Amino acid sequence: SAVISQKPSRDICQRGTSLTIQCQVDSQVTMMFWYRQQPGQSLTLIATANQGSEATYESGFVIDKFPISRPNLTFSTLTVSNMSPEDSSIYLCSVARDTGYGYTFGSGTRLTVV
Amino acid sequence: QQPVQSPQAVILREGEDAVINCSSSKALYSVHWYRQKHGEAPVFLMILLKGGEQKGHEKISASFNEKKQQSSLYLTASQLSYSGTYFCGTEGTYKYIFGTGTRLKVLA
Repeated sequence: SAVISQKPSRDICQRGTSLTIQCQVDSQVTMMFWYRQQPGQSLTLIATANQGSEATYESGFVIDKFPISRPNLTFSTLTVSNMSPEDSSIYLCSVARDTGYGYTFGSGTRLTVV
Repeated sequence: QQPVQSPQAVILREGEDAVINCSSSKALYSVHWYRQKHGEAPVFLMILLKGGEQKGHEKISASFNEKKQQSSLYLTASQLSYSGTYFCGTEGTYKYIFGTGTRLKVLA
């Protein structure tokens, strides 16, 4: 299955600032997915990123707050903008497994906003 | 609609069996199961296909109930390494959805 390198692994940020999270995949993939996992909770899909088109955002998530770039088939970034303490979460990127079922995840970015 | 998992948490002794359920308001066509250890990303365990076929893990199995609105994950002869949070994943309308999660702890 694809291997995803995600960084940073963690960060502590001041409120009002922005953080960009990067995911690099070792193979070309059509879709990349960004998730948020709040402490002790399940994973919630933020958006789906396709190369060459705008990301598709889920209800409750907007582009101004979570802009996403997808410049090529192996790379994507998620920016968390104008952060508040409520944005403190783990953010994960994901791609479909090579087998055609299931998903592989990056190692996650643990974000703390103070 | 997010699938609801039960139990929310379970503690076992090594060697004991456990069952984790994933319930949906709609029929499930396939269910994926993941395990997430603390501080790590979820890891794909297995898929249960609508015909009952399973792919993925040697020591973990799953099934559907009659209406295919619930999937059960069976962990037999649990090992310490089975500890973690288990999530089911299903294809919802236009997107993939994870269940609410079940925390499992295996004690020596």
